[in-house]
Amino acid sequence: EPEVTQTPSHQVTQMGQEVILRCVPISNHLYFYWYRQILGQKVEFLVSFYNNEISEKSEIFDDQFSVERPDGSNFTLKIRSTKLEDSAMYFCATSRLDRGKDTQYFGPGTRLTVL
Amino acid sequence: GIQVEQSPPDLILQEGANSTLRCNFSDSVNNLQWFHQNPWGQLINLFYIPSGTKQNGRLSATTVATERYSLLYISSSQTTDSGVYFCAVNTGGFKTIFGAGTRLFVKA
Repeated sequence: EPEVTQTPSHQVTQMGQEVILRCVPISNHLYFYWYRQILGQKVEFLVSFYNNEISEKSEIFDDQFSVERPDGSNFTLKIRSTKLEDSAMYFCATSRLDRGKDTQYFGPGTRLTVL
Repeated sequence: GIQVEQSPPDLILQEGANSTLRCNFSDSVNNLQWFHQNPWGQLINLFYIPSGTKQNGRLSATTVATERYSLLYISSSQTTDSGVYFCAVNTGGFKTIFGAGTRLFVKA
C-alpha cells in the first residue's frame, strides 16, 4: 500500500532557529495537510494545501509558518523562528479528494524538539 | 465549531476482552475516520466511515450519522491493540477535527 513519508523523523533545534519539515505525498494525491500534536494532547489541524495554494489554515498557523511544494514531489512546512511551544509531533497527511470525500493518509510524523 | 467527544478517556482491558469506544459529534459530518496511534506515535488508519458499518478482522465500526455518533468495537483484544484511538471528522471544509482520544491499555 502506498505511504506518506516524512523526514526527518526527529529534529532537535535551538529556539529562534528555522526548521523545514518534509513530506512526500502518495503519488496520485492532490490535497495536502499538516497537523500538530503536542505531547499527550489531541491532533490539531494546521493547514491544507491544494494547487500550490493554502486552502484553509487554523489560528495556530501564524506568520511563523509557511508551506510550499518546491519541486512537485516534496511538501514542506517551514517554521521561521522556533519557540519552545513549537515542540510537538508534526504530521503530514494527503488525500485524493478534498472536503472529507476520501480518506486522509497520515505520515509517520516528525518529532520536533525546541531547546 | 463542531465538538468531538470520545469516551471513555481511558480503558484498561485484560487480553481477550471485548470493548466499545464511542465518538459523539455535535454537527453533521461529511466524513469520519478512526485512527490508532501506536506507542511510537504513528497514526494508523482504521476506518473511513461517514455512515454504516464496516469490519476489518477483530475491529468493526458503526457510524449513525443521523444521531451523530460512531462506535468502534474491538473484539478479543491483544496487547498490540494498546495505544490511543482517535476519531476525526470533517464537516465539508478542508480541516479535519480530532477528538481527544481513548487511551487503551491491554494487559497480558
